[in-house]
Amino acid sequence: DAKTTQPNSMESNEEEPVHLPCNHSTISGTDYIHWYRQLPSQGPEYVIHGLTSNVNNRMASLAIAEDRKSSTLILHRATLRDAAVYYCILRDDFNFGNEKLTFGTGTRLTIIP
Amino acid sequence: GAGVSQSPSNKVTEKGKDVELRCDPISGHTALYWYRQSLGQGLEFLIYFQGNSAPDKSGLPSDRFSAERPKGSFSTLEIQRTEQGDSAMYLCASSLIAGGPTGEQYFGPGTRLTVT
Repeated sequence: DAKTTQPNSMESNEEEPVHLPCNHSTISGTDYIHWYRQLPSQGPEYVIHGLTSNVNNRMASLAIAEDRKSSTLILHRATLRDAAVYYCILRDDFNFGNEKLTFGTGTRLTIIP
Repeated sequence: GAGVSQSPSNKVTEKGKDVELRCDPISGHTALYWYRQSLGQGLEFLIYFQGNSAPDKSGLPSDRFSAERPKGSFSTLEIQRTEQGDSAMYLCASSLIAGGPTGEQYFGPGTRLTVT
């Protein structure tokens, strides 16, 4: 699996937007970009995923660079509940045998009240 | 609807004993995954089921670990002759389909295993 690089930690003020970066310079053409987050003492939860175009859902937006070598998860208005470890994961969703998620160390996001 | 459930939520066992962990996936989900997370570590894939078969067992750390999903619904993860290094949070996830761009995984709350 292609690797991703994320900052170990980030801080943001409550009610402000948060931009979480992810570098994936060795991404292949069949890799989707998935984001999951893990709140304290909970299992991970799906946030968003995309291939080439920017994506929006009720939780967040995903901005994907034109060359797909990086992406940014955007939380539009951070709340205290958004404090979590955010994982950027590449997965080849076009071919069988790639069903598992390979988690890295993620970015620990702290929200400052 | 009901999410992924796991039991027990906490398990303390003595070194050398066998333990069995259970996962009930979301109803109708065909794919089921086991992961584990040691204290302060990232999540590590263990095994994946599609229905009642396991196409990918590559993450099982040793032959002391085994898992079943006999009827394609709930799954059990068994650890024989537990060691202190097995202490971790064991997480189960399920997805409606396996892989693919819509195969988002839904995780359970985990079972915290402590081997003394």
